[in-house]
Amino acid sequence: AQRVTQPEKLLSVFKGAPVELKCNYSYSGSPELFWYVQYSRQRLQLLLRHISRESIKGFTADLNKGETSFHLKKPFAQEEDSAMYYCALITDKLIFGTGTRLQVFP
Amino acid sequence: NAGVMQNPRHLVRRRGQEARLRCSPMKGHSHVYWYRQLPEEGLKFMVYLQKENIIDESGMPKERFSAEFPKEGPSILRIQQVVRGDSAAYFCASSPADQGYGYTFGSGTRLTVV
Repeated sequence: AQRVTQPEKLLSVFKGAPVELKCNYSYSGSPELFWYVQYSRQRLQLLLRHISRESIKGFTADLNKGETSFHLKKPFAQEEDSAMYYCALITDKLIFGTGTRLQVFP
Repeated sequence: NAGVMQNPRHLVRRRGQEARLRCSPMKGHSHVYWYRQLPEEGLKFMVYLQKENIIDESGMPKERFSAEFPKEGPSILRIQQVVRGDSAAYFCASSPADQGYGYTFGSGTRLTVV
């Protein structure tokens, strides 16, 4: 079955602390994975996609096929990073995880 | 390029009424997707359409919900005889034929059933 799992509903850290938002997937083919971010009551925005291996706003994510993971990381969290983060897998459509709310305290 | 446009932003309906949600995809995008966002449940896929065709409606409730993407005009998600449980944020997204670039989302329509 095609599935995306984000085990943490909420992650709270202090400003300057490292952040890792976990994402695991289940897919029999070659996965294409994305991270989307949704700031308070705004539209979802594409944060990054694994195929481009880019770093956006200090966030990176590496696809680990052995562990079927695509965790999102940032070495030093900022208050403006507080948002909902969704990991997504594309098949014939985007399948989202349930999301992780990141709270960064001052 | 105005992006994906959804209207209305907020919609209030009484139980039993009909709700119509509109989505205009980005220019050049031929694929439209509807998602429902409920508290604590994340984003649930509802339906995937191309012009005049429903490609995948596996996430649509069997009754009361329908979607279309006509040759001209926006995509419409229609909910008949709304119930309180239909209250949610409904997001539309569009993509070009090559989905590897991901989807572009609209701002959503927040439906409240009173």
